[in-house]
Amino acid sequence: GNSVTQMEGPVTLSEEAFLTINCTYTATGYPSLFWYVQYPGEGLQLLLKATKADDKGSNKGFEATYRKETTSFHLEKGSVQVSDSAVYFCALSDNGGSNYKLTFGKGTLLTVNP
Amino acid sequence: EAGVVQSPRYKIIEKKQPVAFWCNPISGHNTLYWYLQNLGQGPELLIRYENEEAVDDSQLPKDRFSAERLKGVDSTLKIQPAELGDSAVYLCASSPVVSSYNEQFFGPGTRLTVL
Repeated sequence: GNSVTQMEGPVTLSEEAFLTINCTYTATGYPSLFWYVQYPGEGLQLLLKATKADDKGSNKGFEATYRKETTSFHLEKGSVQVSDSAVYFCALSDNGGSNYKLTFGKGTLLTVNP
Repeated sequence: EAGVVQSPRYKIIEKKQPVAFWCNPISGHNTLYWYLQNLGQGPELLIRYENEEAVDDSQLPKDRFSAERLKGVDSTLKIQPAELGDSAVYLCASSPVVSSYNEQFFGPGTRLTVL
């Protein structure tokens, strides 16, 4: 079955530091890949997505590249801010058949200190 | 545009009591999802609706959980009777149409505590 493995947290960084959160996946077919972010007390929000190999998703300074050869979709940001403190979820959606559910990783808590 | 609305935001009940959660999706979104999020875990799908039809309820524990989406808009998820292990966050999400890109919009969730 499909699965997503994320880097264990929590991750604590100082403001302006470089961020990488690793994500690898197992899927049949050719999934779409997503990063969702959950700020304290709020619902999950789509941060970025990529729908085919070598696509790069980007938003708000965050980037992730769909790497089919390594089955990875690592999240990066060059300079984090305190406001980036949140839980980040990597997810996939199987594009085959009628299975449209999202399979999520366990989430990575990021804390950015001033 | 209003987002996905869920109520209540928090609910505390004793075990064996019934509980219900309500969700109002984004206007015009045909697809509605209920997810269960345990502490420290990612969300897991319970049920997916296309309009008023439950098209994927394979992960819904049907002995105690039920859901409905009358008229293909609002939805209610019910647990009867609740057990201690049901303490979790229940998330509702919606999307305009089902597609392989499958961008889903989530509500803030209902945090259930069963004592």
